[in-house]
Amino acid sequence: EPEVTQTPSHQVTQMGQEVILRCVPISNHLYFYWYRQILGQKVEFLVSFYNNEISEKSEIFDDQFSVERPDGSNFTLKIRSTKLEDSAMYFCASSERGQPTGELFFGEGSRLTVL
Amino acid sequence: AQSVTQPDIHITVSEGASLELRCNYSYGATPYLFWYVQSPGQGLQLLLKYFSGDTLVQGIKGFEAEFKRSQSSFNLRKPSVHWSDAAEYFCAAYSGTYKYIFGTGTRLKVLA
Repeated sequence: EPEVTQTPSHQVTQMGQEVILRCVPISNHLYFYWYRQILGQKVEFLVSFYNNEISEKSEIFDDQFSVERPDGSNFTLKIRSTKLEDSAMYFCASSERGQPTGELFFGEGSRLTVL
Repeated sequence: AQSVTQPDIHITVSEGASLELRCNYSYGATPYLFWYVQSPGQGLQLLLKYFSGDTLVQGIKGFEAEFKRSQSSFNLRKPSVHWSDAAEYFCAAYSGTYKYIFGTGTRLKVLA
């Protein structure tokens, strides 16, 4: 069964360092998303991406964050200068169609720990 | 502002017992509502969804949920829990455009 894969599963970094989280969405999907969950808190929307551009972003997604689809398969989230409060589980998702009818398929998540 | 609340952080049930996980939403119009499950080491998987029509919706793995507008609730139920149901369950609502709003999740523990 097709699935969304994310790497790394866990990354530990020092405050101020750049981090890139990688995702391989399901191959025929056209819509891509990043969500995150800080420990004990809600899963929060970060950004959606369609047709090679950001279609929506939350207030969390400030200038320190960027997304890219560098080739036909990868979808990356970059955090330029990590802060302690960026420590969270980051989930990538993709869907074949737009929302709300396009079912979201999530990856296993990448846990980011900022020291 | 829209919100989704899952009042129970942890729930423990015995295998074979019935299960109900609570979800309340705050949304002006008819919401689109979802339940997701995350098993250890897995991504979030869609269990079921409600868009309109019949307020009792059936999902995968024997789960069902009932939309009650009067109570602003969308509780998830299963008549008989299996040990493999131990996981974290998330209620979510579509908030318009591209994003979903999730609850904090309920972690289910199943006793043998």
